[in-house]
Amino acid sequence: QKEVEQNSGPLSVPEGAIASLNCTYSDRGSQSFFWYRQYSGKSPELIMSIYSNGDKEDGRFTAQLNKASQYVSLLIRDSQPSDSATYLCAVYAGRALTFGSGTRLQVQP
Amino acid sequence: EAQVTQNPRYLITVTGKKLTVTCSQNMNHEYMSWYRQDPGLGLRQIYYSMNVEVTDKGDVPEGYKVSRKEKRNFPLILESPSPNQTSLYFCASSLGATGSATNEKLFFGSGTQLSVL
Repeated sequence: QKEVEQNSGPLSVPEGAIASLNCTYSDRGSQSFFWYRQYSGKSPELIMSIYSNGDKEDGRFTAQLNKASQYVSLLIRDSQPSDSATYLCAVYAGRALTFGSGTRLQVQP
Repeated sequence: EAQVTQNPRYLITVTGKKLTVTCSQNMNHEYMSWYRQDPGLGLRQIYYSMNVEVTDKGDVPEGYKVSRKEKRNFPLILESPSPNQTSLYFCASSLGATGSATNEKLFFGSGTQLSVL
């Protein structure tokens, strides 16, 4: 079983819609959770971090964490074509950051 | 400008020919790490370093070596490359151990696309 699981996609949404990206993790001791965005041919960049249960909002992005269900999600409101990228979920459980394989998001104009 | 610099950007080599990929950061970060990225497998950690002269294995260390003689540099060495090491490699650094609330952000280099024939 993979430690961090994501649906590879592609997830296709129309411009202006809400994109919902999901991630599950296996280590119940995980402490910190991150979302990185990676444009094609580029390096990952951090867009959100979350540490406690509930929602965390930053502009058009909302990260949601449910530790009981071992589930973390990223919502992107008012999706734009420039949001088209691969989104990597990353989880820290005390030793190293473990990445999921990423979900490719396509925002259709 | 704060950055992680990797070189080369592209590298084609043959099986068994030793190579080094360099990584340097100018942010005085303690933590540095190497990842490889393969389709469908995401980013997998090869080695990491918590500070000078302190290195440890990640999830896929076989066939790789690293050293941390200076805080800013963390080269990745492939002593005898094989075709299964063809991949996209990223060096990354952060102020402290990743996951700490105050040292959370990993800064990535621009990547090295390695092909081993």
